[in-house]
Order: sequence, then C-alpha cells, then structure tokens
Amino acid sequence: GNSVTQMEGPVTLSEEAFLTINCTYTATGYPSLFWYVQYPGEGLQLLLKATKADDKGSNKGFEATYRKETTSFHLEKGSVQVSDSAVYFCALTQYNFNKFYFGSGTKLNVKP
Amino acid sequence: KAGVTQTPRYLIKTRGQQVTLSCSPISGHRSVSWYQQTPGQGLQFLFEYFSETQRNKGNFPGRFSGRQFSNSRSEMNVSTLELGDSALYLCASSLGTGRANYGYTFGSGTRLTVV
Repeated sequence: GNSVTQMEGPVTLSEEAFLTINCTYTATGYPSLFWYVQYPGEGLQLLLKATKADDKGSNKGFEATYRKETTSFHLEKGSVQVSDSAVYFCALTQYNFNKFYFGSGTKLNVKP
Repeated sequence: KAGVTQTPRYLIKTRGQQVTLSCSPISGHRSVSWYQQTPGQGLQFLFEYFSETQRNKGNFPGRFSGRQFSNSRSEMNVSTLELGDSALYLCASSLGTGRANYGYTFGSGTRLTVV
C-alpha cells in the first residue's frame, strides 16, 4: 500500500538554524512526492514537489530530494525564519490517481 | 486569479443535524477533492469529483456524501452529525483527474464544530 511517515514534532529552532524534517514513504509504483505547509487557521499550501527519483524540489529556500533507494523525501532549509513557523506535511500520490496520502504533519516553531 | 473558496469558514451544529459545505475551485480546474483534518487522524481523503462524477472515495460512512455541479463547484453533505465529525474540512482543486502530480490547490477550509 501507500503511506507516509514523518518525524514527530514539535521541532523548535532558533532563527537562522538549519532545518531538517524527515519523511519516508511506502508506495507501489513510482509516486510523486510533495511538501505542503499549513499556517495557523489556513489551508495547505504547496511548498515543493518532485515527480521522479533524484529530482530536487525547491522553493523559498526549502529543498527536498526524492531518494528512491532510501524511500525518503526529507525537507531542509539552511536558515529558518520566525515566519517559517507552521505545520509541514509530506505527501505522496501516484500518477493517474487523484488521492493524496499525507503524513501526520510536523509542527515547526522558530524562536527569534 | 482567485483561489479555492470554501464557505462557510466556521460552522457550529448540533448532534443529529445535517450540514452542507461548499467549495468553488480555481477557474479552469475540473477536479475537486475533499479531506477531513482532525488532530487524532490527521488528513483523510473523503472523495474526489471530476466532471460531476465521483471518481474516488475514502473510507467514510455513507453519512458523508458529495456532488459536483456543471460549473465544477462542489458540495459535501454530512447527515446525522456526530461529535466525532468535528473537524476542519478542506477542499482542493486540480486541473483534472489523474493530474495530482501537478499538485493540489487547497482552500482555507471549513471548521465544523458539532456540539
């Protein structure tokens, strides 16, 4: 089957610290992988995506590389800001499916 | 361009009542999906509609239903509300069915509280 596992939160960092949020997946076939972000009181916003192995998705300083050999899609950012405080969701879908499998979410708190 | 619009933003209902939530997708998007988000279960897929047809359905009881109109707007209905139905209901749109690898665009959600 298909599933996504994320590291437990919350993650608390100081401003300008390095961020890693781990995500691993189980999937049949060749999934597409995503990171979504949810700010308080809001819906989910697409942060980045990768549709095949070794692809790197990037946006707003965040990066994640699709690693098929380790079935991982870890989210990284070199220097976090207070405004990055949010809940981050890793997700996968299969081509020709319109259903996402989401991880449980990781809450990030960035302190000034 | 306008994003995905969900109405209402907040709703309080009593057990046993029914509720209808509305979602207007991004212009040109023909696929609409619904998700339920709760602290305990996380994000769970409810159903997906494309061209007024339900294409996929999650593991929810028959009290949860939906439909899509010819202008791609969608509604979901929950009948005989239970306390456990309290959740944030998110609607997402995409260009078409089978295009999920392009990514969804989500609305801000409807926060349903059942008392």
